[in-house]
Amino acid sequence: AQSVTQPDIHITVSEGASLELRCNYSYGATPYLFWYVQSPGQGLQLLLKYFSGDTLVQGIKGFEAEFKRSQSSFNLRKPSVHWSDAAEYFCAVGGPLSSYQLTFGKGTKLSVIP
Amino acid sequence: NAGVTQTPKFQVLKTGQSMTLQCAQDMNHNSMYWYRQDPGMGLRLIYYSASEGTTDKGEVPNGYNVSRLNKREFSLRLESAAPSQTSVYFCASSENLETQYFGPGTRLLVL
Repeated sequence: AQSVTQPDIHITVSEGASLELRCNYSYGATPYLFWYVQSPGQGLQLLLKYFSGDTLVQGIKGFEAEFKRSQSSFNLRKPSVHWSDAAEYFCAVGGPLSSYQLTFGKGTKLSVIP
Repeated sequence: NAGVTQTPKFQVLKTGQSMTLQCAQDMNHNSMYWYRQDPGMGLRLIYYSASEGTTDKGEVPNGYNVSRLNKREFSLRLESAAPSQTSVYFCASSENLETQYFGPGTRLLVL
């Protein structure tokens, strides 16, 4: 069975500081990996995705993530956080083994100190 | 191009009442999904429809039914609502089962 672990429930960073949100997954083959962001009271917006190829993927809003097969990780990074990045972030895994059904992590809430 | 739309945005039900949540997408996607989101639980898949005319159970299907009315529309029905079904419900769609795009959600409160 596939699974996703986001070890940090809540992270607080200062505006301008760098950010790394952790995501570890379990999947029986090369996974499809996603990061979504959810602002309060809103739906989920896709930040970036990894299907194959280059293990460093670029997304919207200046975010990037790196797929590390040996560590079963897909951590999300941003060099300089803006106050508008405050939101909840979800990592998800899926792929052909699970008929492309996604399994989501429980989310990491990001707070940004001005 | 509205993407994925959901109605209603908010609903209050009494235990035992029924209701249907509506979802429509204008992206000509083949696949559609219903999720529920509860605090600290992430999103959990209720039902999905890989293509028009097919539906399958997800992780938490009990207490729900779905109808894929046509390629655009996928509805979720609660026949007899229970307080445990208080949640935020999200519809999503994807082309060929890959990247999913989400609607704004329906907040449901069951008293």
